[in-house]
Amino acid sequence: NAGVTQTPKFQVLKTGQSMTLQCAQDMNHNSMYWYRQDPGMGLRLIYYSASEGTTDKGEVPNGYNVSRLNKREFSLRLESAAPSQTSVYFCASGEQGMNTEAFFGQGTRLTVV
Amino acid sequence: DQQVKQNSPSLSVQEGRISILNCDYTNSMFDYFLWYKKYPAEGPTFLISISSIKDKNEDGRFTVFLNKSAKHLSLHIVPSQPGDSAVYFCAARRRGSTLGRLYFGRGTQLTVWP
Repeated sequence: NAGVTQTPKFQVLKTGQSMTLQCAQDMNHNSMYWYRQDPGMGLRLIYYSASEGTTDKGEVPNGYNVSRLNKREFSLRLESAAPSQTSVYFCASGEQGMNTEAFFGQGTRLTVV
Repeated sequence: DQQVKQNSPSLSVQEGRISILNCDYTNSMFDYFLWYKKYPAEGPTFLISISSIKDKNEDGRFTVFLNKSAKHLSLHIVPSQPGDSAVYFCAARRRGSTLGRLYFGRGTQLTVWP
């Protein structure tokens, strides 16, 4: 039982390049999320998917797109990377409910030069 | 606008003593609060939570207290151990929102020294 798996773990991009961050969960959760963590900023929600086939913007969606490929997979795409997108990206999954927590992957450290 | 605030970026405590991490929030619609622990190069892991209908929740060495009137919660770790050294994030969820819309504080780096 791997939980939430993110690939890649590290990536360096040049400004203007594109890439897709992959996320998969094996806990049969309906909801999946992408957060970014910047120094001194905590975790901020980029996009989320409450269920297969639906996606919604979070707090900081600009410059990103997402795809909920199926129940297991939720990808985050940077179409034209900018230095401001240098960050650590975390994918999470969870069940909708009153008193449940979200489970996080190990993160992708992205540097845009 | 930061709706969840952790005003202490760091805390240093001697092993065996109590660690108290604080968190304040501004949104009265928050009804569920969580603490996450994060080691370097790892994802956050869930530690403990509390619903707004309670004022205390305990799990082993970890206790979370909620003061709704003050919009304040705290995490107590007793006794503190060197393995507790990590960044601790306070998070909150709004009443009626889906699970993942958690609002996080900026984190407190806890260092437990021998």
